[in-house]
Amino acid sequence: GAVVSQHPSWVICKSGTSVKIECRSLDFQATTMFWYRQFPKQSLMLMATSNEGSKATYEQGVEKDKFLINHASLTLSTLTVTSAHPEDSSFYICSAKDRVNSPLHFGNGTRLTVT
Amino acid sequence: AQSVAQPEDQVNVAEGNPLTVKCTYSVSGNPYLFWYVQYPNRGLQFLLKYITGDNLVKGSYGFEAEFNKSQTSFHLKKPSALVSDSALYFCAVRGLQQAGTALIFGKGTTLSVSS
Repeated sequence: GAVVSQHPSWVICKSGTSVKIECRSLDFQATTMFWYRQFPKQSLMLMATSNEGSKATYEQGVEKDKFLINHASLTLSTLTVTSAHPEDSSFYICSAKDRVNSPLHFGNGTRLTVT
Repeated sequence: AQSVAQPEDQVNVAEGNPLTVKCTYSVSGNPYLFWYVQYPNRGLQFLLKYITGDNLVKGSYGFEAEFNKSQTSFHLKKPSALVSDSALYFCAVRGLQQAGTALIFGKGTTLSVSS
């Protein structure tokens, strides 16, 4: 079945540094990937839609200069949290689908802790 | 605007008893509905989906969901709960004609199955 790999699974960084999270579709090509953020005991909040070869579409309230998304190939999208602050600490999850009406396949998420 | 409501933060059932996790939705046009399960610090796993056809949809791990158009509901059910079913469950929706858009998730319901 379709597999989405997300790396790293957890990361601790110091305030002011940048962190890159990778999302790969292992056995299918994904023209569109979605990045979600999940706060403790809360639902998933869509951050942005990542389109291969073009700029990402950000949801209202999400700072595009802070959360840089690059979708350079049909199997890889990256989310870079720039100049991270403690309030950026969260669980970030990427997802992709292999066909138009297929379910979303999710990565295992990245737990980011900014100290 | 699309939305999903999961009215219960937590559902508690005894092992062997039937379980229901409620979900209602609002979407333009015909809905495309999903249930996902999340275990701690993990991504989401797909359980089942409804596009068209039979209102009762069968999915993974013995779960099923019933689509009710008049009540705009898509409740998740299982005839006999297992302790291992304890997890966080999300209902999600998008418009069927909106193939390129992300899913909108409910806030999640924690299912706790006691032995």
